[in-house]
Amino acid sequence: DGGITQSPKYLFRKEGQNVTLSCEQNLNHDAMYWYRQDPGQGLRLIYYSQIVNDFQKGDIAEGYSVSREKKESFPLTVTSAQKNPTAFYLCASSIDRGGTRRNEQFFGPGTRLTVL
Amino acid sequence: AQKVTQAQTEISVVEKEDVTLDCVYETRDTTYYLFWYKQPPSGELVFLIRRNSFDEQNEISGRYSWNFQKSTSSFNFTITASQVVDSAVYFCVLGGSQGNLIFGKGTKLSVKP
Repeated sequence: DGGITQSPKYLFRKEGQNVTLSCEQNLNHDAMYWYRQDPGQGLRLIYYSQIVNDFQKGDIAEGYSVSREKKESFPLTVTSAQKNPTAFYLCASSIDRGGTRRNEQFFGPGTRLTVL
Repeated sequence: AQKVTQAQTEISVVEKEDVTLDCVYETRDTTYYLFWYKQPPSGELVFLIRRNSFDEQNEISGRYSWNFQKSTSSFNFTITASQVVDSAVYFCVLGGSQGNLIFGKGTKLSVKP
């Protein structure tokens, strides 16, 4: 079945550690996105990628890094520079590159990150 | 600036009641897209509908209906005869100029039996 997978579902991290969240899609979508959701809030864009080997900062990119070496994969690293990393992280993809705002995004199940 | 406002933070209804979730948006684009997503307790977002700015026809899908009014920049969502399974957070979303999505803060709907 086509879809987006994120792993792990729950992640615990000690302060000062970097951690990488996985996102894989087999939908053959060009564009991929990372969002952060805090309790009682909507989603905020961290990074997005419209094509392999290219990505752009979103609204809250500080303390995060990404890579897009393969079309199917868009991992997100939460670095120790991120001041308040505890949140729910959602990965999404859409069929076309950015600029075609008509296309709905499909979301993965999310990763809940807790910093201890 | 692009913005989505969902003024209702939480709504609680009893099963079989009708409920309307309000959404007001701001954009300077002449062509834009609006979406509604549902987020059940599991956390995964589920796409419900997409509407483009040139199509003001209301849409009905089963118990769901959407009222798009460009004159008031609103895109309201009505659930008829609500059910317990409708309990979720619902997000109204605007398609951003970079292909990203601009989310409202969501409305938490609780449907009690």
